[in-house]
Amino acid sequence: EDQVTQSPEALRLQEGESSSLNCSYTVSGLRGLFWYRQDPGKGPEFLFTLYSAGEEKEKERLKATLTKKESFLHITAPKPEDSATYLCAVQASNTGKLIFGQGTTLQVKP
Amino acid sequence: DGGITQSPKYLFRKEGQNVTLSCEQNLNHDAMYWYRQDPGQGLRLIYYSQIVNDFQKGDIAEGYSVSREKKESFPLTVTSAQKNPTAFYLCASSSSGRVGETQYFGPGTRLLVL
Repeated sequence: EDQVTQSPEALRLQEGESSSLNCSYTVSGLRGLFWYRQDPGKGPEFLFTLYSAGEEKEKERLKATLTKKESFLHITAPKPEDSATYLCAVQASNTGKLIFGQGTTLQVKP
Repeated sequence: DGGITQSPKYLFRKEGQNVTLSCEQNLNHDAMYWYRQDPGQGLRLIYYSQIVNDFQKGDIAEGYSVSREKKESFPLTVTSAQKNPTAFYLCASSSSGRVGETQYFGPGTRLLVL
């Protein structure tokens, strides 16, 4: 069964304290792994798409990486405005549907 | 500005009532989707449409209905058959619906039961 697990569920960081969020997946034929940011009461905002193991993408303080079993979202020197829930989703070739993890809620304290 | 709009932001449903959530996009996307988000759970697919006048059930379609009469619009009706409708509803779209495409989301509608 296709599955996505994100860890940790919640993460508290001090401003400037770098860390990583994990997205582990099992899927038949990965066709894309997607990272979104979601603020409370709002829709998810697209961050990155990764398609193959070894691929990396960066945007400001965020860097997403992909292996054959998991993806990491690295946050370098976070700021309070990076506080949000980060969602990971995978798309399998057999169904074409997006399968979402439960998300990691990040809180960055000044 | 191109984007996806959803209305209303909040919606209240009485027992036995059908309610309709609006989703409009001006991105010229062919594919549109409806998801439901509950606390502590990942987003779950309700319905999707890749072309006008055609749509398919997702993983949790029971108690919901949709229509796709125009490319820009994909309304979702929550019927009285949906016994646990309280949730955050998200509409999304993608260019053609092909596998590997990025889906872009609207701001969401929160449905509450009176």
